[in-house]
Amino acid sequence: EVQLLESGGGLVQPGGSLRLSCVASGFTFANSGMTWFRQAPGKGPPEWVSSITDSGGVTYYADSIKGRFTISRDNFRNTLYLQVTGLRDEDTAVYYCAKGRWAQDYWGQGTLVTVSS
Amino acid sequence: EIVMTQSPATLSVSPGESATLSCRASQSVRTKLAWYQQTPGQAPRLLIYSASTRATGVPGRFSGSGSGTDFTLTISSLQSEDFAVYYCQQYNNWPPLTFGGGTKVEIK
Repeated sequence: EVQLLESGGGLVQPGGSLRLSCVASGFTFANSGMTWFRQAPGKGPPEWVSSITDSGGVTYYADSIKGRFTISRDNFRNTLYLQVTGLRDEDTAVYYCAKGRWAQDYWGQGTLVTVSS
Repeated sequence: EIVMTQSPATLSVSPGESATLSCRASQSVRTKLAWYQQTPGQAPRLLIYSASTRATGVPGRFSGSGSGTDFTLTISSLQSEDFAVYYCQQYNNWPPLTFGGGTKVEIK
């Protein structure tokens, strides 16, 4: 059974940082591109944030977070990361990791990041 | 960036009836189109990819069609668990991956 378990969210002040993690199981993680999305609570569709190739050699970022967020992965630990820095109020959202770079066939349950002073 | 537009925003349907949801792309996405279902408090669930291929475990009452700029998701004989928000997503021209604004299917 494919499982994706995010962690690392929380309450952070504007300008603060967090590292989000997503532990994967039930599939060959090293063979799969991965993606982070976010969704503001109760507000509209998911927003694509970032994607990474299976090897980690190529990364992609949304303009809204470019230069502030960094996606990475550890294929030995079956773990995907999102380092988020320079947080703003508008970054408040549930952050989901998802399997795949195109249509995402499995999603985690998300971790909530709240940016507030 | 490709803009995805879904209609209607809300669809009121009685259980057992069918529902037809529409999604339009601002330019051709060929068949690189996915549909997701989301219920409150849950992550999105992939229903359809490549415009018409059901994802693993998705019931046969869900079907997708279309290519280019116009797409349809049809849900036949709606069950209670089908009342949810549905999003289309294009993955032909990316980054960025883009979603439509969603269609809420509610009980009539």
